[in-house]
Amino acid sequence: AQSVTQLGSHVSVSEGALVLLRCNYSSSVPPYLFWYVQYPNQGLQLLLKYTTGATLVKGINGFEAEFKKSETSFHLTKPSAHMSDAAEYFCAVSDKRTGNQFYFGTGTSLTVIP
Amino acid sequence: KAGVTQTPRYLIKTRGQQVTLSCSPISGHRSVSWYQQTPGQGLQFLFEYFSETQRNKGNFPGRFSGRQFSNSRSEMNVSTLELGDSALYLCASSSSRGTGELFFGEGSRLTVL
Repeated sequence: AQSVTQLGSHVSVSEGALVLLRCNYSSSVPPYLFWYVQYPNQGLQLLLKYTTGATLVKGINGFEAEFKKSETSFHLTKPSAHMSDAAEYFCAVSDKRTGNQFYFGTGTSLTVIP
Repeated sequence: KAGVTQTPRYLIKTRGQQVTLSCSPISGHRSVSWYQQTPGQGLQFLFEYFSETQRNKGNFPGRFSGRQFSNSRSEMNVSTLELGDSALYLCASSSSRGTGELFFGEGSRLTVL
């Protein structure tokens, strides 16, 4: 069975500081990994995804994530936080067997302090 | 290109009633998935339809059902509503059979009183 663990349900950073949101996954087969962002009263928007190939993945709004198989991790980073980054972030895993059935983490709420 | 459209956006029902939620996927997308989002359980997969066939089903009781029409529009139905069914119901569409990107609608927020 697949699962995702997001360490830290709430993360606060100062504007301009590094953003690091942690995600660890469990999968018995090669995973497909995703980060989504959700703003209040909205749906989820894809930030970036890893399927195959390069393990460092760049996404929208300056975010990137690195797939580390040995650590079963897919942490999300951004060098410099902006006020508009305040939102809920979800890590998700799927694979070829489960198709479009994604398993989501419980989310990390990011607060950016001016 | 229009995004995923869900209707209604907000609705209030009482226990024992039933509700039908609608989802129109992005044009050309044949896969539609439904997720339930609650503060306590997070995002949980309900089911997925592809070309009018249910491909996967999550661990929800039979009160939760869905269907997909030939134009890829989908509906989900919840019968005999319980207080615990209060949630944001998100629909997502995809152009692929699996592991592609999911495009989410803004959701239907259901409150059960």
